Amino acid sequence: EAGVAQSPRYKIIEKRQSVAFWCNPISGHATLYWYQQILGQGPKLLIQFQNNGVVDDSQLPKDRFSAERLKGVDSTLKIQPAKLEDSAVYLCASRNSNTEAFFGQGTRLTVV
Amino acid sequence: DQQVKQNSPSLSVQEGRISILNCDYTNSMFDYFLWYKKYPAEGPTFLISISSIKDKNEDGRFTVFLNKSAKHLSLHIVPSQPGDSAVYFCAASGTRSARQLTFGSGTQLTVLP
Repeated sequence: EAGVAQSPRYKIIEKRQSVAFWCNPISGHATLYWYQQILGQGPKLLIQFQNNGVVDDSQLPKDRFSAERLKGVDSTLKIQPAKLEDSAVYLCASRNSNTEAFFGQGTRLTVV
Repeated sequence: DQQVKQNSPSLSVQEGRISILNCDYTNSMFDYFLWYKKYPAEGPTFLISISSIKDKNEDGRFTVFLNKSAKHLSLHIVPSQPGDSAVYFCAASGTRSARQLTFGSGTQLTVLP
């Protein structure tokens, strides 16, 4: 079974630039999550999708972050404009009703 | 306000001995607890879980204990192996939170050969 795919693996941008991350969840997994993991901390939930609908985006900084899952499969997370404090690993995870969450390898973002 | 706390950033154990990783939580609505393991440059992988209706769950060398009155859980690894060296995250969720996970900050376990 293929795992959760994320790209790119690494990204370096200057502050105020924009960036987008892509996630392809495990086939058949209706629930998709985006987490932000800052160095030395545990992952923190940004947004949760059920199919193509948003379940919870209460912790997403909506002034600069956006996410979509248009066809209920792949998802993109965008930051515009980026700040220095956005430097982190962005993790995508997916699950269905019978499994725990499976995580991708993450995208390491460095904002300089 | 950290709802899930792992107060030990690191732990070193000799191969073959027991590793005990601890986790405390504050939110009484949490009713499901998990441990994830993370190797460098990889995403977290699920290890073991426990529901609040139980106080112990075992899977091979891994056992998780839950003390609801103390809001404390622990992960025991016996015997510890060098391949167990990784960061271990404690996570919790509530039935009504659509299984969203709240993570602790992690404990780096190093198993010395």
